[in-house]
Amino acid sequence: QLQLQESGPGLVKPSETLSLTCTVSGGSISSSSYYWGWIRQPPGKGLEWIGSIYYSGSTYYNPSLKSRVTISVDTSKNQFSLKLSSVTAADTAVYYCARHQQWLVRWGQGTLVTVSS
Amino acid sequence: AIQLTQSPSSLSASVGDRVTITCRASQGISSALAWYQQKPGKAPKLLIYDASSLESGVPSRFSGSGSGTDFTLTISSLQPEDFATYYCQQFNSYPLFTFGPGTKVDIK
Repeated sequence: QLQLQESGPGLVKPSETLSLTCTVSGGSISSSSYYWGWIRQPPGKGLEWIGSIYYSGSTYYNPSLKSRVTISVDTSKNQFSLKLSSVTAADTAVYYCARHQQWLVRWGQGTLVTVSS
Repeated sequence: AIQLTQSPSSLSASVGDRVTITCRASQGISSALAWYQQKPGKAPKLLIYDASSLESGVPSRFSGSGSGTDFTLTISSLQPEDFATYYCQQFNSYPLFTFGPGTKVDIK
């Protein structure tokens, strides 16, 4: 059974870079036909797609966040990562990683990242 | 960018009620729509894909319909475990996609 697990700091200072990693187990991140994505959810609010990476390394980002987002993949570790720069309090959210095609079937449990000094 | 709206934003219903949630796209998206259920503290769970296809393991009381710009999620007989927030997601511009703002279903 494929599982995804987010990890990274739970507290980030304003203007710094948020960095998260998603570790995939029970399957290979190099599987063709799947994208690996990041979605976030501010407390009490809705879902926002951040961006996704294909196993080949092609990346796709939400236009509203594109200037601050980098997603990368490390196939040797079966992981993919998110970097979000110049964070503000508005970036406080639960961050989910997920495997997807057109729809998202496999999700991580999510990790809360708070932006505060 | 394609925007999604959902109505209502929240509703109160009783066990056994028939519940209908609407999702409207800002432009036609064919059948490129999915529905998710999210309970507090949990990741969303896929219910419906391609507007009307039931995900494996999802109870048959859930159904989806629509195409183009107007879509509905129907729960034929609301059960206690169905109280949650429901989101639509469009993938017409896949691999880019967007979510609707959500509809919270709570107990009347």
